[in-house]
Amino acid sequence: DQQVKQNSPSLSVQEGRISILNCDYTNSMFDYFLWYKKYPAEGPTFLISISSIKDKNEDGRFTVFLNKSAKHLSLHIVPSQPGDSAVYFCAASATSYDKVIFGPGTSLSVIP
Amino acid sequence: GAGVSQSPSNKVTEKGKDVELRCDPISGHTALYWYRQSLGQGLEFLIYFQGNSAPDKSGLPSDRFSAERTGGSVSTLTIQRTQQEDSAVYLCASSFTGGSTEAFFGQGTRLTVV
Repeated sequence: DQQVKQNSPSLSVQEGRISILNCDYTNSMFDYFLWYKKYPAEGPTFLISISSIKDKNEDGRFTVFLNKSAKHLSLHIVPSQPGDSAVYFCAASATSYDKVIFGPGTSLSVIP
Repeated sequence: GAGVSQSPSNKVTEKGKDVELRCDPISGHTALYWYRQSLGQGLEFLIYFQGNSAPDKSGLPSDRFSAERTGGSVSTLTIQRTQQEDSAVYLCASSFTGGSTEAFFGQGTRLTVV
């Protein structure tokens, strides 16, 4: 049973527009949520995180929104750039010391 | 280097043989994870070490898989009697405390079972 879901395997966006990547989770114990980006043949790299006490966290072009009642979060990238083309993984953890569970990923293509 | 180091980077083995994959985490990180990524799939959790606590082995797919972490540092993932379905990229990551803190990943070991 997948605890972290990313229902869109792929997304294609024009350069300069907004990219919205969605993530849903089933475990109500999750309190920390993280996004990672992965290029081919490389390990994932951390992008941005949010804890359940917040509903929004922003870092430059990247903003994560959390709707805890809906068990849903989203990553917004504005404006999208070709270098953002990668696989984006949503991840979650129940506590600050617990293991991190990853979703299946969404492959983002930003078209110049 | 200061990052997470995994070895070997590539491993081809015959079905039925045992393999050992090594991970050198970032010094001072108490949390260490093993994940695997099969072709076209996401990151499948395998095992989690946190400090001196008993490891969380809930993601290990079968008893052919085991892992240890010696001295709170280097970790070895062992797969016994490898099968073709074990072919995947095995990724190790470490973080300062686990959970909410950023995890740093190694480049992975690509395992091919022929």
